[in-house]
Amino acid sequence: SQQGEEDPQALSIQEGENATMNCSYKTSINNLQWYRQNSGRGLVHLILIRSNEREKHSGRLRVTLDTSKKSSSLLITASRAADTASYFCATNGAGNMLTFGGGTRLMVKP
Amino acid sequence: GAVVSQHPSWVICKSGTSVKIECRSLDFQATTMFWYRQFPKQSLMLMATSNEGSKATYEQGVEKDKFLINHASLTLSTLTVTSAHPEDSSFYICSGGQGQGEEEQYFGPGTRLTVT
Repeated sequence: SQQGEEDPQALSIQEGENATMNCSYKTSINNLQWYRQNSGRGLVHLILIRSNEREKHSGRLRVTLDTSKKSSSLLITASRAADTASYFCATNGAGNMLTFGGGTRLMVKP
Repeated sequence: GAVVSQHPSWVICKSGTSVKIECRSLDFQATTMFWYRQFPKQSLMLMATSNEGSKATYEQGVEKDKFLINHASLTLSTLTVTSAHPEDSSFYICSGGQGQGEEEQYFGPGTRLTVT
């Protein structure tokens, strides 16, 4: 079952702009992960943030986690056309099970 | 990162037939494997969790007699869609984990099933 909501559901920006996606969830978590999926393809793991962490960086990606608000955000800076994809957050709870949010479809126009 | 493969990458079958999808962890031992289903423009929905050598645990609403899961070894899990119907047409994705704890799962590339 889906635990979280993501917003926006779709986002269209120009190359070079920043893209911010938000994820909210309902239950307590061990960690939260962000994945990327190109159309019709498998998932690529982007970043994992643990419940005791507040912010994490990886290249052009910045993830924040607010456990008090049960929310996370993914920021992609200086976006490129190749960043066009769907982005999913997934919460990791008991048994290492992942529960995915609804996803944000990002379109970066060249 | 670790690599998970799926075979076939796509399959078309006739209504009423069965289809087997394989999920292999190529460079690690996956003590737990997960099977997801994804309909177009939707998110991934967990179908079942399987641990090597034991029966799979199915999510609510997923028919265990229709979606047979076998996890016979630490590197192979199979999903068999029995008596497939057009509404079973979907993208099936597996993932593997290396053990208990807060860990990354490694996803396969997915299998596109079309039932005609």
